[in-house]
Amino acid sequence: QVQLQESGPGLVRPSETLSLTCTLSGDSFGTYYWSWIRQPPGKGLEWIGYIYYSGTTNYNPSLKSRVTISLDTPKKQFSLEINSVTAADTAVYFCARDVHLQFYDSWGQGTLVVVSS
Amino acid sequence: QSALTQPASVSGSPGQSITISCTGSKTDVGDYNYVSWYRQRPGEAPQLLIYDVTHRPSGVSDRFSASKSGITASLTISALQPDDEGDYYCNSYTAGPILRLFGTGTTVTVL
Repeated sequence: QVQLQESGPGLVRPSETLSLTCTLSGDSFGTYYWSWIRQPPGKGLEWIGYIYYSGTTNYNPSLKSRVTISLDTPKKQFSLEINSVTAADTAVYFCARDVHLQFYDSWGQGTLVVVSS
Repeated sequence: QSALTQPASVSGSPGQSITISCTGSKTDVGDYNYVSWYRQRPGEAPQLLIYDVTHRPSGVSDRFSASKSGITASLTISALQPDDEGDYYCNSYTAGPILRLFGTGTTVTVL
């Protein structure tokens, strides 16, 4: 079973870029959709987007203009960038493996990112 | 639609059964059998309980069962145990602009 681990800064200044990386262990990228999901404090889950093993991406329209998800196959990592962040982007960010766009069978532990000056 | 609709909270006594609903629309729950359910304990990542409407991954207790009727999916927890407390989320594939839609979440309390 694949294991996922998020990493990146826990504090980002407003208007700057949030950057996170998810590292895989125990498996390769295979034919899965590698996803980012976030959860503001005390709130529900929100799908940010995914990157397919082939490099195809799809984003939540509410974030599409600010989000980029990329893949580094040799390093077994995929990354998230959100630019022009505001306090509304404060959340726990999870990376997850999406099986055929049907369900998420593996999740990272999550990492809290706070947007504050 | 930005989220599937779930009740904010559901409670029950140990040994009882409870059901959590997840209401969507024709372009998500109603048209695709790709509904999944997750339990999230405080400070932890969500854990997959049910996939493809009714299927349980190996290792998940058979006290968890699920179904779908029209635009509403349901998760039933039978023989409720204190360990079942947590937040429960449904998710569906959608034909809309938001490809993967989560439910609003339901907090389960064991009285």
